[in-house]
Amino acid sequence: QKEVEQDPGPLSVPEGAIVSLNCTYSNSAFQYFMWYRQYSRKGPELLMYTYSSGNKEDGRFTAQVDKSSKYISLFIRDSQPSDSATYLCATHTYNFNKFYFGSGTKLNVKP
Amino acid sequence: EAGVTQFPSHSVIEKGQTVTLRCDPISGHDNLYWYRRVMGKEIKFLLHFVKESKQDESGMPNNRFLAERTGGTYSTLKVQPAELEDSGVYFCASSQDTLRDSSSGYTFGSGTRLTVV
Repeated sequence: QKEVEQDPGPLSVPEGAIVSLNCTYSNSAFQYFMWYRQYSRKGPELLMYTYSSGNKEDGRFTAQVDKSSKYISLFIRDSQPSDSATYLCATHTYNFNKFYFGSGTKLNVKP
Repeated sequence: EAGVTQFPSHSVIEKGQTVTLRCDPISGHDNLYWYRRVMGKEIKFLLHFVKESKQDESGMPNNRFLAERTGGTYSTLKVQPAELEDSGVYFCASSQDTLRDSSSGYTFGSGTRLTVV
């Protein structure tokens, strides 16, 4: 069983739509949660970093963590074509030094 | 601030050959990590350096892989001899902080795409 499960998509939405990306994880020792964005031929770029259950907002992006159900989400409001990329969820335990990634969801925002 | 630099960006080698990947972390970052993504799979941890010391190499697949970080600056990852299943994208990342002191995560390089034929 994978540590982190993520629907690979692809997900195609029209510009301006609200996008919901989700991951589930299996290990209750995971305490820190991240969303990375990866453009083609580039390395992952950190979007959001959260610790506790609840919501964290940054501009058009909202990260949501539900530790009771081991479920994490990323919402993108007013999606733009420039948001087209692969989105990766990641997590780690108290030990910061080893991240576990989902397989990534490829998002395409159509103009 | 320069980012994490990896080269080559792409390497194609024959099975049985040797390849060396290089990573230059962000200046001042003591922590350096190697990750790998094989086709269709998730990005997976290979190992972690703190300065020149290997802190955790639990993700290294086998003894054909050798990572070094002499002097605690740049790092190399050598694959010898390369096998077909070693094909994938190898990412390097660096960070200044460990444990939960930082909310900045890692900074990743753009990766080296390795193809073994």
